[in-house]
Amino acid sequence: EAGVAQSPRYKIIEKRQSVAFWCNPISGHATLYWYQQILGQGPKLLIQFQNNGVVDDSQLPKDRFSAERLKGVDSTLKIQPAKLEDSAVYLCASSSPTRLGRLNTEAFFGQGTRLTVV
Amino acid sequence: SQQGEEDPQALSIQEGENATMNCSYKTSINNLQWYRQNSGRGLVHLILIRSNEREKHSGRLRVTLDTSKKSSSLLITASRAADTASYFCATDAAGGSYIPTFGRGTSLIVHP
Repeated sequence: EAGVAQSPRYKIIEKRQSVAFWCNPISGHATLYWYQQILGQGPKLLIQFQNNGVVDDSQLPKDRFSAERLKGVDSTLKIQPAKLEDSAVYLCASSSPTRLGRLNTEAFFGQGTRLTVV
Repeated sequence: SQQGEEDPQALSIQEGENATMNCSYKTSINNLQWYRQNSGRGLVHLILIRSNEREKHSGRLRVTLDTSKKSSSLLITASRAADTASYFCATDAAGGSYIPTFGRGTSLIVHP
């Protein structure tokens, strides 16, 4: 089974520039998450999709961050314009809502995109 | 704010010793999960324990859950150098939208 694919692996941009990250979840996984992980901290949820609908985006800085999941499969996360404090690893994860008939929140993570804003 | 908080923040042991990490959380949960993250890599799911379970085993891993104390522990027995990684607990709040919420993690170093 292929895992969660993310690209690019690394990105360096100047502040005020724009950047976009792409995620392809595991086939059949309806739930998709974007997390931000700052160095030395745990992942912080930015947005959760169920199919192509947003479940939770309460921690997404909507003045500069946007995300979409067209057709309920791939997803893109965009930052425009970037700030120095956006330097982090951006992790995409997916899960299947139920497993063996029970609610399942086991998430499978991609390798992440390491963003450096200079 | 982060729901789960791991303790200790860092742990250094010799190969063959056991490693114990703890996680405390604030609100009632549905599930608690433990993940491992090797340096520069994504997170790997280790084990999930449901709120009505008290203990689970998977290979050299043993997880306990005490909902009365709102805490969990992860025990790695007979540690290996390859176990060197950061370990995170993730909880999803009961009655909420079942979103895994992570703590800051425990950094484990196993010396060969």
